[in-house]
Amino acid sequence: DVKVTQSSRYLVKRTGEKVFLECVQDMDHENMFWYRQDPGLGLRLIYFSYDVKMKEKGDIPEGYSVSREKKERFSLILESASTNQTSMYLCASSPTGAGTEAFFGQGTRLTVV
Amino acid sequence: GQNIDQPTEMTATEGAIVQINCTYQTSGFNGLFWYQQHAGEAPTFLSYNVLDGLEEKGRFSSFLSRSKGYSYLLLKELQMKDSASYLCAGHLSNDYKLSFGAGTTVTVRA
Repeated sequence: DVKVTQSSRYLVKRTGEKVFLECVQDMDHENMFWYRQDPGLGLRLIYFSYDVKMKEKGDIPEGYSVSREKKERFSLILESASTNQTSMYLCASSPTGAGTEAFFGQGTRLTVV
Repeated sequence: GQNIDQPTEMTATEGAIVQINCTYQTSGFNGLFWYQQHAGEAPTFLSYNVLDGLEEKGRFSSFLSRSKGYSYLLLKELQMKDSASYLCAGHLSNDYKLSFGAGTTVTVRA
């Protein structure tokens, strides 16, 4: 059974903290993605990676960075958390190539206070 | 990303049919996905269309018209468990990333 696992379901952090969201997939997928999901806005792409140590900005990268040191793990970093980063964060992975099915993790609901 | 539009909400009765429309910009477009997302859960894959026409998978069908920049997801014989958000997502040629619509929340009533 394919699996994308996010390290936390719920997180509460303080403004200004550095926050790490971890995502691991066990399908040997090349592509990995980080989205945030907000009511009325849908899923918006923050960053994605198509290979180890490779990363590309998505539509809303400001205030975020990512790390992919191993193929199975893709980390999202909030350098200095702000209240407008309160959101549901979803990680996904897909096999190489365009138009391949993406598999999603359960999501991390982050609240920044 | 692409501009992808879909209705915000739809309500239907158990056993009925509902059609969720999705429109997108055609420039560079390559294929279109539909995902289902139950409240508090991860999105799960329903269908992928890259060619024009209708693809049927049991109670769910998806249609694509590339020239019109239009797709729909058809849910037949609605069941209560079909109450969920349905996400339309497109990608450009040779592009790994998906652009999502805001999602359509379907509520099935008894």
